[in-house]
Amino acid sequence: DTGVSQDPRHKITKRGQNVTFRCDPISEHNRLYWYRQTLGQGPEFLTYFQNEAQLEKSRLLSDRFSAERPKGSFSTLEIQRTEQGDSAMYLCASSLNSYLDTEAFFGQGTRLTVV
Amino acid sequence: AQRVTQPEKLLSVFKGAPVELKCNYSYSGSPELFWYVQYSRQRLQLLLRHISRESIKGFTADLNKGETSFHLKKPFAQEEDSAMYYCAGSQGNLIFGKGTKLSVKP
Repeated sequence: DTGVSQDPRHKITKRGQNVTFRCDPISEHNRLYWYRQTLGQGPEFLTYFQNEAQLEKSRLLSDRFSAERPKGSFSTLEIQRTEQGDSAMYLCASSLNSYLDTEAFFGQGTRLTVV
Repeated sequence: AQRVTQPEKLLSVFKGAPVELKCNYSYSGSPELFWYVQYSRQRLQLLLRHISRESIKGFTADLNKGETSFHLKKPFAQEEDSAMYYCAGSQGNLIFGKGTKLSVKP
């Protein structure tokens, strides 16, 4: 286990198409987070899971976005009917939910370009 | 609403100068606070967390509940400190500020 991995690393899609990204967290981590990051901005929180339960979803998140973590391990983020404004880096992170250890480990991200 | 604010987009200092990166937070209750760093072409990684009260790479951060601040400080900046620095708060979720780019000039 070499850390959080995301697939694909890059995705180019036409406007209106659906895309799905995958995140594999560190195996013993029970929390998983999704973020969107655009140039010059900090990571914008999208949603997070505790095991398989989606505990919070950003109010900024359009209904076109959906995330799952069906078995409490890997997670997918789907964007339906993509728009040019969806172009961004999508980051995944995972952590233990422990008082002594709440460090979030990040993947390298999936860069989405909508043309 | 939960919010983390970093007022400076860019901070430029000379090597050996002191550095202070500002962070203010707005939460109901007491969040856990962090500083994350992103070096060029690397992943975001944890620098320090307020609970551990440790010094990492010469950086420290003091939580001031009265001013709702968690500023990051280093007495003598090094060129290798040049990076993007993000303050973050957590009450279950993990919310980031917009980041401050630190540039340390030789």
